[in-house]
Amino acid sequence: DVKVTQSSRYLVKRTGEKVFLECVQDMDHENMFWYRQDPGLGLRLIYFSYDVKMKEKGDIPEGYSVSREKKERFSLILESASTNQTSMYLCASSPGGVYYNYGYTFGSGTRLTVV
Amino acid sequence: GESVGLHLPTLSVQEGDNSIINCAYSNSASDYFIWYKQESGKGPQFIIDIRSNMDKRQGQRVTVLLNKTVKHLSLQIAATQPGDSAVYFCAENIGGGNNRLAFGKGNQVVVIP
Repeated sequence: DVKVTQSSRYLVKRTGEKVFLECVQDMDHENMFWYRQDPGLGLRLIYFSYDVKMKEKGDIPEGYSVSREKKERFSLILESASTNQTSMYLCASSPGGVYYNYGYTFGSGTRLTVV
Repeated sequence: GESVGLHLPTLSVQEGDNSIINCAYSNSASDYFIWYKQESGKGPQFIIDIRSNMDKRQGQRVTVLLNKTVKHLSLQIAATQPGDSAVYFCAENIGGGNNRLAFGKGNQVVVIP
């Protein structure tokens, strides 16, 4: 019954590596989001997308990029991983258009460690 | 890695007691609110939502209260169980179309058996 799937639960990468975090949803949602979650800081929005090939910066986009080539898939890219990007990354999706006022469905998260 | 519950306000509650978790929201124009539960190592899960035309909504063992006058939201959990131990955080729809939510930092609930 998994609806938002993140490809990895745990990742360890080296500083300077290019890192891809994948997220797939099977609910035909228009909106998709990438957050990072750190102790004491809550959820911080990195990037979001309201449609295929569309993307918008969130609150902390520096050092990240995204790709949405298909409606169901939203990828987060760390261009050159750094130790301060060690975090829990959460993907979420929600309906768009007329479905205003809907909650997000979250994936299980990817805990990324950059060494 | 560190638990997301670290550094958060913590509510310790005896098993079987009722829990109340509070949240202050920021935008007086927000018209939709949600409570999420996040267990250790998992993603947040939807618990209950409420629209601004209501002041109370009940689910199974949970009740959400909305006080728009003071921009306050609370979650009440009846007969708290060990499985209720988690981080709970509120979210508000900050408007501007496209269903943007803003999340609170959360509260850690620890149930004492």
